[in-house]
Amino acid sequence: QVQLVESGGGVVQPGRSLRLSCAASGFTLSNYGMHWVRQAPGKGLEWVAVISFDGSDKYYADSVKGRFTISRDTSKNTLYLQMNSLRTEDTAMFYCAKVSLGFGAIHMPDAFDVWGQGTMVTVSS
Amino acid sequence: IQLTQSPSSLSASVGDRVTITCRASRGISSYLAWYQQKPGKAPKLLISAASTLQSGVPSRFSGSGSGADFTLTISSLQPEDFATYYCQQLNSYPRTFGQGTKLEIK
Repeated sequence: QVQLVESGGGVVQPGRSLRLSCAASGFTLSNYGMHWVRQAPGKGLEWVAVISFDGSDKYYADSVKGRFTISRDTSKNTLYLQMNSLRTEDTAMFYCAKVSLGFGAIHMPDAFDVWGQGTMVTVSS
Repeated sequence: IQLTQSPSSLSASVGDRVTITCRASRGISSYLAWYQQKPGKAPKLLISAASTLQSGVPSRFSGSGSGADFTLTISSLQPEDFATYYCQQLNSYPRTFGQGTKLEIK
């Protein structure tokens, strides 16, 4: 069964750091591009970051560029999002998601077919 | 690329036919997906490539369009369809979403 399970969320003060994890099961993470998407309370979906299936390419939303880093550990079949210099406006539920087609180039127009249940990040003093 | 969904909210009854529109700020070919999200849950992929229904999604859902104008249609609303629907463009980065359309029971 293909599954994604996020963890690592919590309450953190502005300016501090947090690392989110997304454990994959039922498929090999290194065969698929992977994304992070967030949703502020009561708001819509905001795309955050992507890593290509081979880890060679990464893109970020302007709102997080220079502060967030997407990465993965293929030996653990786990995706990460390192979040530094957190701001109150980063408060959101964070979801990881996989693309539907394996081994696709990062620019392939590939929808997100499996999502995790999300992990909540609250940035507050 | 900005995506504008209309309406932002919609009240309808079980059995109604409902159409949600998504307009892109520039042409995106057929590189559009539709998702359904219920409260407290992750989004679920319904349609990819503007009109390809995902496996397991009921056939009452359909998508159409290309270029800049797209529609999601639910032919006969069922109680489990009351949710928020988002379109997403897959043409370029950032992979933007529409603002969402909340479908409520009348």
